[in-house]
Amino acid sequence: SQQGEEDPQALSIQEGENATMNCSYKTSINNLQWYRQNSGRGLVHLILIRSNEREKHSGRLRVTLDTSKKSSSLLITASRAADTASYFCATFRLSQGGSEKLVFGKGTKLTVNP
Amino acid sequence: NAGVTQTPKFQVLKTGQSMTLQCAQDMNHNSMYWYRQDPGMGLRLIYYSASEGTTDKGEVPNGYNVSRLNKREFSLRLESAAPSQTSVYFCASSSTTGSNEKLFFGSGTQLSVL
Repeated sequence: SQQGEEDPQALSIQEGENATMNCSYKTSINNLQWYRQNSGRGLVHLILIRSNEREKHSGRLRVTLDTSKKSSSLLITASRAADTASYFCATFRLSQGGSEKLVFGKGTKLTVNP
Repeated sequence: NAGVTQTPKFQVLKTGQSMTLQCAQDMNHNSMYWYRQDPGMGLRLIYYSASEGTTDKGEVPNGYNVSRLNKREFSLRLESAAPSQTSVYFCASSSTTGSNEKLFFGSGTQLSVL
């Protein structure tokens, strides 16, 4: 089963608006990561937030983490058409072999209309 | 700096055929991964290699084999392809398998099994 679950599955907004995507997870984490995937491309790492952090910024990206609710949100401010992509949250989960593996959610597909 | 390079980009197979997907990274990373991405399923880990000389199963290893040829290269082999293996395959690498590591992805191989 997926460790992270993004919400909504799809989001369509106008250029200039803010986009908020949410991620819920099930087990305790050390950190949570967000990735972006442009159509037909591989995933690109955006930001990592540690379990002892509540908020982190990177350019127009703002990520929050609420470990008590086991949830995170990704906010993209002043969106641009180039932000059109799928966004995934990812957390590490302990595998059967005892090591931690990065597990991805199903993603939110964001469309920014010009 | 090419990052993570996957070949081929597209492949069509008939049921029962075999093929090997190639992946190479030039970032001197220790860890490498193979994921598959299916619509509505997000990314699922097939196999990973924590370091040169080691490989281990992920979530969905059945029907696949891997070889960590050297530190740079990690190949994925389908011995007898099945239609259920139609998917987009992504190779990724990271410095180590620690939970603070971010993954770098290749651009993917789109595989169709008829």
